[in-house]
Order: sequence, then C-alpha cells, then structure tokens
Amino acid sequence: DIQMTQSPSSVSASVGDRVTITCRASQGISSWLAWYQQKPGKAPKLLIYAASSLQSGVPSRFSGSGSGTDFTLTISSLQPEDFATYYCQQANSFPSFGGGTKVEIK
Amino acid sequence: QVQLQESGPGLVKPSQTLSLTCTVSGGSISSGSYYWSWIRQPAGKGLEWIGRIYTSGSTNYNPSLKSRVTISVDTSKNQFSLKLSSVTAADTAVYYCAGLTVTDDAFDIWGQGTMVTVSS
Repeated sequence: DIQMTQSPSSVSASVGDRVTITCRASQGISSWLAWYQQKPGKAPKLLIYAASSLQSGVPSRFSGSGSGTDFTLTISSLQPEDFATYYCQQANSFPSFGGGTKVEIK
Repeated sequence: QVQLQESGPGLVKPSQTLSLTCTVSGGSISSGSYYWSWIRQPAGKGLEWIGRIYTSGSTNYNPSLKSRVTISVDTSKNQFSLKLSSVTAADTAVYYCAGLTVTDDAFDIWGQGTMVTVSS
C-alpha cells in the first residue's frame, strides 16, 4: 500500500498570503498525484491532476509541482474562498488520500 | 455535463448490509472514460477509497475492506452500486460516488454525498 503524508495538518494564514502544502508518498508514484479542495458539507473538488495540471475552471493562483515521492500545492495569494481543507491523492496502485491540510483564517 | 447522485438508506443496523446506488446523468456510464468509485468520509476525518468498477465489470477494492465490499454496475440503468456487509459503527460516514478518470487517475466528478449511520 502507498501511504500519503501531508504537512502541515493545519495552517493559519491571511488573505493575500502565499500558502504551500506538502504531500509525500511512501514510494515513487511518478506524477500520478492530484489535489482537492473540500469545504464543510461539500464533496471534494479537483484542483490539480498529474501533479501540475490545472483542472479547467480552477483559478491560476493554484499550482502544483513535484514528481516521484515529493509534491507541493501552492496558493500564490490566498483569497477568502480558499479557506478549506486540502487533500492529495495518488492512484499509482489503488487510490489513496493524504490526511488533509486545513487552511484557516489567521 | 456528467452528474452523479447517491441514493440509499440513511440508517443501517449493525451486522447488516449497507447498500447504496449511484445514478449517472448527463452521460453514459459505458463511456469508458471513468473508473466508477466509492469513497467515504467519517465525520471530521479524511477520505477513504472503498473500491472501483470499470464498465467491463472489472473491480478493485481497498484491501482493508475487500472481504466486505461488492461493487456492481447496471449499464441499462446507468447506475453502479455499493454493498458493504457486516457493518459496525465504524462504517458510519458520508459516502460519495465519484468518477476516476482513466487517463489521469483523478476524481473529477463527485456526487453530493450521502450520510449513512450504523446504529440499532
């Protein structure tokens, strides 16, 4: 099984801040990594796929990078609507998710 | 635009079988573009992938749940279904159906989720 470890588990930030979330896979997964945003009571929403490809309709302030075992999601300038929980997901074998990172208002 | 909608009982008794159906609208379940999946999320916790089915009927399950899970597809109704047997309180969660893209291995469509509580 491939384990996905996200850090930090939570981050406090202000509007306009740059926020970076890290995801590490327990073994190499090439670029088969996706990022999701989830707001309370809602289904997750796909932001990034294939490590760095922006899903259609997602603002360009979201970006992803990495390959192998280490990946990052960056929000270049945090907006009020970005306060949410973010999850990484791999599907190199069967799909699995990281534990989540909650982005909170500072 | 493809949409997914979960349906099924919101309350299941311990030791019984949880059964949910996901209806695909706005497109064909047989398009070949997706692995149709079930994912769950206990309150306040993270996401757990349960399993997936392809239009051919081939399935893959999370090893931790494999002995209790069956996923099936009914192409005539544009639906796929989840059965989870011998449920306990630990199976209480919001259950989502989702489509995992064949090309990019990402869940780009999700149902709204349905809350299932296991309690007597």
